[in-house]
Amino acid sequence: SQQGEEDPQALSIQEGENATMNCSYKTSINNLQWYRQNSGRGLVHLILIRSNEREKHSGRLRVTLDTSKKSSSLLITASRAADTASYFCATEIPGSEKLVFGKGTKLTVNP
Amino acid sequence: NAGVTQTPKFQVLKTGQSMTLQCAQDMNHEYMSWYRQDPGMGLRLIHYSVGAGITDQGEVPNGYNVSRSTTEDFPLRLLSAAPSQTSVYFCASREGGVSGEKLFFGSGTQLSVL
Repeated sequence: SQQGEEDPQALSIQEGENATMNCSYKTSINNLQWYRQNSGRGLVHLILIRSNEREKHSGRLRVTLDTSKKSSSLLITASRAADTASYFCATEIPGSEKLVFGKGTKLTVNP
Repeated sequence: NAGVTQTPKFQVLKTGQSMTLQCAQDMNHEYMSWYRQDPGMGLRLIHYSVGAGITDQGEVPNGYNVSRSTTEDFPLRLLSAAPSQTSVYFCASREGGVSGEKLFFGSGTQLSVL
């Protein structure tokens, strides 16, 4: 079964607005990663947050992690049309070499 | 630096045929893995390897074989293709042995089984 589940499944916003995507997971984790996939392409790593971290920033990206609620959120500020893509969370489980992905959020940023 | 290279990009098979999807990386990564991506299902792990000579199963290993004879290559073999194996396949690699390393993905192989 899927470890991570993103919410919403799809999100459509206007350029300049902020986009927030959420990820919930089921078991304890070493870290949680967010990836981006443009249509027809491979996934690209965006940001990683470790289980002992609560918030992390990278450019226009802000990630939070709440291990008590087993959830994470990805915020993209001042979105651009080029941010249109699918976004996936992935969790690394302690004692496992596996990185397990959720089903993704499809973000559309309208110009 | 090519990164992770997958071949072919597209493939059409008939039910029952066998084929090998190739994956090579030039980053000296110990860890390599194969995922399949289906609409509405996200990415599901098929097989992975933590180093040459070592492979293990992921979430959906049935119908697929892998081997890891070198650090660079991690081929995925479909033994007898079935329509349920129609999917987009991604190979990914990362440095091994340290928690929290990011995955580097290839550009994918789109496979159709008729």
